[in-house]
Amino acid sequence: DTEVTQTPKHLVMGMTNKKSLKCEQHMGHRAMYWYKQKAKKPPELMFVYSYEKLSINESVPSRFSPECPNSSLLNLHLHALQPEDSALYLCASSQGRINTEAFFGQGTRLTVV
Amino acid sequence: AQSVTQPDIHITVSEGASLELRCNYSYGATPYLFWYVQSPGQGLQLLLKYFSGDTLVQGIKGFEAEFKRSQSSFNLRKPSVHWSDAAEYFCALLTDSWGKLQFGAGTQVVVTP
Repeated sequence: DTEVTQTPKHLVMGMTNKKSLKCEQHMGHRAMYWYKQKAKKPPELMFVYSYEKLSINESVPSRFSPECPNSSLLNLHLHALQPEDSALYLCASSQGRINTEAFFGQGTRLTVV
Repeated sequence: AQSVTQPDIHITVSEGASLELRCNYSYGATPYLFWYVQSPGQGLQLLLKYFSGDTLVQGIKGFEAEFKRSQSSFNLRKPSVHWSDAAEYFCALLTDSWGKLQFGAGTQVVVTP
């Protein structure tokens, strides 16, 4: 099973809303990632969790708050977003070593209105 | 500084014709390289990877890639494209032990009848 599952697939939220994106993997991977992808652009790394600890925050605004409740789950809490935050949010996981590949979920298409 | 360059933003190819997508990288150490494919509105699917060893690597869906250290290249090829190969293709470089990926800008492949 090489599947990373993201929910929801689509999300529309207002600028004053609070919502969460969820990501789950059952491959025993110890590293999990959030990427943001704008239209016609490559994915850009937001956060890396390794062994359930935040390892990398790529200077992401605090309106994005990641959480890793356990080794299989990764959440991204959203609050007071701006319309320019509308994008495809991708979750990925890997074994976290230098010579391993990352597996991506199908993404959550987020629209901020 | 590390970087990944995909010189071709857009490629149009006839169904049944061969396809080659270019990727050049800049990295000071041993590169770990990947090709991912993304269909519209979908996540990224790993086509193949290069960690070490044989410079010609085979992937899924009939794709292969050749690593050439002297040219800092990792070009993707397919002998005969199918209409279902129409997608965005990303070359990526693993840049640290946390699994951070740096992506090229992507190449959009259009397949004509």
